Amino acid sequence: GAVVSQHPSWVICKSGTSVKIECRSLDFQATTMFWYRQFPKQSLMLMATSNEGSKATYEQGVEKDKFLINHASLTLSTLTVTSAHPEDSSFYICSASVSGANVLTFGAGSRLTVL
Amino acid sequence: QKEVEQNSGPLSVPEGAIASLNCTYSDRGSQSFFWYRQYSGKSPELIMSIYSNGDKEDGRFTAQLNKASQYVSLLIRDSQPSDSATYLCAVRAKTGANNLFFGTGTRLTVIP
Repeated sequence: GAVVSQHPSWVICKSGTSVKIECRSLDFQATTMFWYRQFPKQSLMLMATSNEGSKATYEQGVEKDKFLINHASLTLSTLTVTSAHPEDSSFYICSASVSGANVLTFGAGSRLTVL
Repeated sequence: QKEVEQNSGPLSVPEGAIASLNCTYSDRGSQSFFWYRQYSGKSPELIMSIYSNGDKEDGRFTAQLNKASQYVSLLIRDSQPSDSATYLCAVRAKTGANNLFFGTGTRLTVIP
């Protein structure tokens, strides 16, 4: 089955620094990947849709200059949280689907803690 | 109005009982419906998908969809302590879109 790998699984950083999270589709090509964020006891909220070879599409209220998304190949999308602040601490989860498939596969998630 | 609504629970059932989880959605044009299970600190994993009105059974799980009522449910028979998790209802709003809208999830506890 489709496997999505996400790295790192957890990261702690100081306020003001930038953090990069990688999302890879291991056994399939993904022209589109999705980045979600989940705060404690809340649901997954779609942040942006990552499109291979073009700009990401951001959901309303998500700052594109703060959450930089790069989807340079068919198997890799990266999310960079720039100038992170404590309020950015959250569980970030990427997902992708095999072309034509109706089901999303999720990565294991990356827990970000900003001190 | 939220896209997808669920009772946050917690829902507690004894081991061996049937757990019933409910979800409503606002977009009448929604095409695809999913139930995900999420253990604490982990990412969601797919339990069931359903696309047509009626029931769909897979092992101990049965998904039920009623598009007229904009309602989807998940029944877990013979509940086990390992079923204790948060269950997320997810909806794909329209054909061609691949992203999902999630409910806030229902926390289920199965008591041994």
